[in-house]
Amino acid sequence: LAKTTQPISMDSYEGQEVNITCSHNNIATNDYITWYQQFPSQGPRFIIQGYKTKVTNEVASLFIPADRKSSTLSLPRVSLSDTAVYYCLVGDPWYSSASKIIFGSGTRLSIRP
Amino acid sequence: KAGVTQTPRYLIKTRGQQVTLSCSPISGHRSVSWYQQTPGQGLQFLFEYFSETQRNKGNFPGRFSGRQFSNSRSEMNVSTLELGDSALYLCASSFRQERFYEQYFGPGTRLTVT
Repeated sequence: LAKTTQPISMDSYEGQEVNITCSHNNIATNDYITWYQQFPSQGPRFIIQGYKTKVTNEVASLFIPADRKSSTLSLPRVSLSDTAVYYCLVGDPWYSSASKIIFGSGTRLSIRP
Repeated sequence: KAGVTQTPRYLIKTRGQQVTLSCSPISGHRSVSWYQQTPGQGLQFLFEYFSETQRNKGNFPGRFSGRQFSNSRSEMNVSTLELGDSALYLCASSFRQERFYEQYFGPGTRLTVT
């Protein structure tokens, strides 16, 4: 399984764009990159998933360079409600076991007024 | 479509007691996984079920058990509770057993053992 490295914490201000980078140097050919968001005392919420280049949805964008050894979750114009822990996961989405999914420590994002 | 529901949301038990937590997956989802989350250990995998069969179990003692019913609803049971079992217990469902990277989590059950 690809090991991921992401910053432990980040701070930003309302209205700013926030980019959280995740390193995954040993990503495998079949691996996808998936990001989850977790608010305190709630379950993680699936945000976005991608394989290469760029993926965008109503919540975020995910940028993946050609070598796929890193990825960047981009949150446009953040608000206080975006304060949460963000997890980067890398693996084959068709893998047959949830037991192989490792959430890690995530990035604690704090948004200030 | 309703999300994953978990009951109860909060629970206080004393050491030595047992507890049963319930999870109802999103309609149509047949795969259910359970996780334990604590500040020190983060999110740790407990078990996964698909079509009433336990496919995998995490590295937890035998006091932790679970099952899945024919309607995909799942329960987990912890017997002989210990203080260290205090945690947020999360249930997640996915449409297919392979789609574990696209899971939908419930709000969790906060268990406090005193």
